[in-house]
Amino acid sequence: AQSVTQPDIHITVSEGASLELRCNYSYGATPYLFWYVQSPGQGLQLLLKYFSGDTLVQGIKGFEAEFKRSQSSFNLRKPSVHWSDAAEYFCAVGGSNSGYALNFGKGTSLLVTP
Amino acid sequence: SAVISQKPSRDICQRGTSLTIQCQVDSQVTMMFWYRQQPGQSLTLIATANQGSEATYESGFVIDKFPISRPNLTFSTLTVSNMSPEDSSIYLCSVSGTSGGEVVEQYFGPGTRLTVT
Repeated sequence: AQSVTQPDIHITVSEGASLELRCNYSYGATPYLFWYVQSPGQGLQLLLKYFSGDTLVQGIKGFEAEFKRSQSSFNLRKPSVHWSDAAEYFCAVGGSNSGYALNFGKGTSLLVTP
Repeated sequence: SAVISQKPSRDICQRGTSLTIQCQVDSQVTMMFWYRQQPGQSLTLIATANQGSEATYESGFVIDKFPISRPNLTFSTLTVSNMSPEDSSIYLCSVSGTSGGEVVEQYFGPGTRLTVT
């Protein structure tokens, strides 16, 4: 069975500080991994994705994520957070085993303080 | 890439009634997916809709409550039947984008925000 765990429900960081959001997955085959961001009242926006190849993936808005197969992790990072990054972040896993439907984590709510 | 539109964008409905949500894609796709996002929650897959076959429902979702149509490769509908306040959610349509037979992207529609009173 596939699943995604985002251990942190809420995270608060100061503007300009670095950020790491954790994501652990369980999947029976090669996973496709995604990070999405959702601002209040807005739709989902894809930040980045990993399908294969280089395990360090660059995304939009200065985000990156690293796929670590040995740890079943796909953590999201940003070196310097901006106030506009405050939002809900979802990690998701999918692949051929699931017919390419995605299984989402419960999300991490990011608060950015001045 | 694929551009997905949904109708309606939002609606307020009375309990006991039904609402049909439309999903239109600007290109032909094999698989379409319907998700639900309850208030303050994450997204949960309702069903997978392939053209020419019955939709496949996830555990906890049944066809009588959420009938799905997939008449062609660019369109699908999801009906929320006999609604109750617990059905108040955002409903999202999604498709897989492929290149050379490989899935390379997941696209989401803007969602339909449903409030049941």
